[in-house]
Amino acid sequence: DARVTQTPRHKVTEMGQEVTMRCQPILGHNTVFWYRQTMMQGLELLAYFRNRAPLDDSGMPKDRFSAEMPDATLATLKIQPSEPRDSAVYFCASGLASGTQTDTQYFGPGTRLTVL
Amino acid sequence: QKEVEQDPGPLSVPEGAIVSLNCTYSNSAFQYFMWYRQYSRKGPELLMYTYSSGNKEDGRFTAQVDKSSKYISLFIRDSQPSDSATYLCAMRVMFSGGYNKLIFGAGTRLAVHP
Repeated sequence: DARVTQTPRHKVTEMGQEVTMRCQPILGHNTVFWYRQTMMQGLELLAYFRNRAPLDDSGMPKDRFSAEMPDATLATLKIQPSEPRDSAVYFCASGLASGTQTDTQYFGPGTRLTVL
Repeated sequence: QKEVEQDPGPLSVPEGAIVSLNCTYSNSAFQYFMWYRQYSRKGPELLMYTYSSGNKEDGRFTAQVDKSSKYISLFIRDSQPSDSATYLCAMRVMFSGGYNKLIFGAGTRLAVHP
């Protein structure tokens, strides 16, 4: 049963600390998405990769957030320095895209981040 | 004003009731319309998607799209306690470079009690 995996599932840290979240997309998928979910804002797209290249990171605060795909099996989202307003659930999703069409996005279980 | 508006609820109904969940949108460029279901402490999962105006049925679920009114709905017949979850509408839009992405509604929390 192919699934998107995310680590850690929970993270509590103090303001100013660096946070790194990892995602393993479903084998064979060529798109990866990072979302942030909060009660106030709902589900927001932070970054979008296709074939490991960033296509859209307009939703990501550039000064503290960074997203990378070191290889096809690993995507990372880093926050440095973290702030209390970054507290949220961060989801990774992967999919299979061809041409300009993006297929169904499969979501991981999320990383619940709390910044004190 | 958000591009996609969805009443966050919560919505509480008795088992067996018909549930109606709705979203409105403002961007005429939205093409595909989707409904995701999200159980507590889980990631969203795709429930249904539609492209054109009209109805699409899948078991107890019916998705309805009215592009002229910019309004979409999800109906759940014979609701079950296992349907208790948050339901998010999502819409696909093209962005620069010719690629597309999803814009999500805030989600409606549904509780079906026995």
